[in-house]
Amino acid sequence: GAGVSQSPSNKVTEKGKDVELRCDPISGHTALYWYRQSLGQGLEFLIYFQGNSAPDKSGLPSDRFSAERTGGSVSTLTIQRTQQEDSAVYLCASSPSSLAGRFFFGPGTRLTVL
Amino acid sequence: AQSVTQLDSHVSVSEGTPVLLRCNYSSSYSPSLFWYVQHPNKGLQLLLKYTSAATLVKGINGFEAEFKKSETSFHLTKPSAHMSDAAEYFCVVSVSETGNQFYFGTGTSLTVIP
Repeated sequence: GAGVSQSPSNKVTEKGKDVELRCDPISGHTALYWYRQSLGQGLEFLIYFQGNSAPDKSGLPSDRFSAERTGGSVSTLTIQRTQQEDSAVYLCASSPSSLAGRFFFGPGTRLTVL
Repeated sequence: AQSVTQLDSHVSVSEGTPVLLRCNYSSSYSPSLFWYVQHPNKGLQLLLKYTSAATLVKGINGFEAEFKKSETSFHLTKPSAHMSDAAEYFCVVSVSETGNQFYFGTGTSLTVIP
């Protein structure tokens, strides 16, 4: 079937605006991760969903960031009052619970905050 | 706390010579360790993983890594570099005690010179 998809592929916004990034994981994958990759930086963990458990939000950099996963499938990452330092590529990955460490990454959303 | 340090942001080798990509980790628990490769415009691919079995782990494409607890290292090696090995490599640590959150290093860019 299809891989992980993300939308939009590119988003340019003005400082102070809110943005929503969407991730459609591979069907049946119970784990879903959000990462971001800034220029010259490694992958930075943001949030992790596993099945029906409470998400691990420990990587969210501020309270402007939030994410939800509806019905154990689609996830939305929301950034409120965007700042220039939020500019990065936001990556979503899903993983079947039985294959720890095997990620299937989406193509990412490139966010530019002007 | 868990963390990963990739000691070299960029490594350049000649085709046919050995590859060494260095990774040190810090973990309060017994970690699982992974190496991923990312080729341009492609998703992350799992090269190999260590999960408390044999300390010398063999992966795909001739790569291997040795877990050395005394040195807190998990360096990636290959006896003979191929042009197709040119890519970005990420070392990753995960601990089940913290909910299988994955911590990525900042990546090492490997260049292979013909």
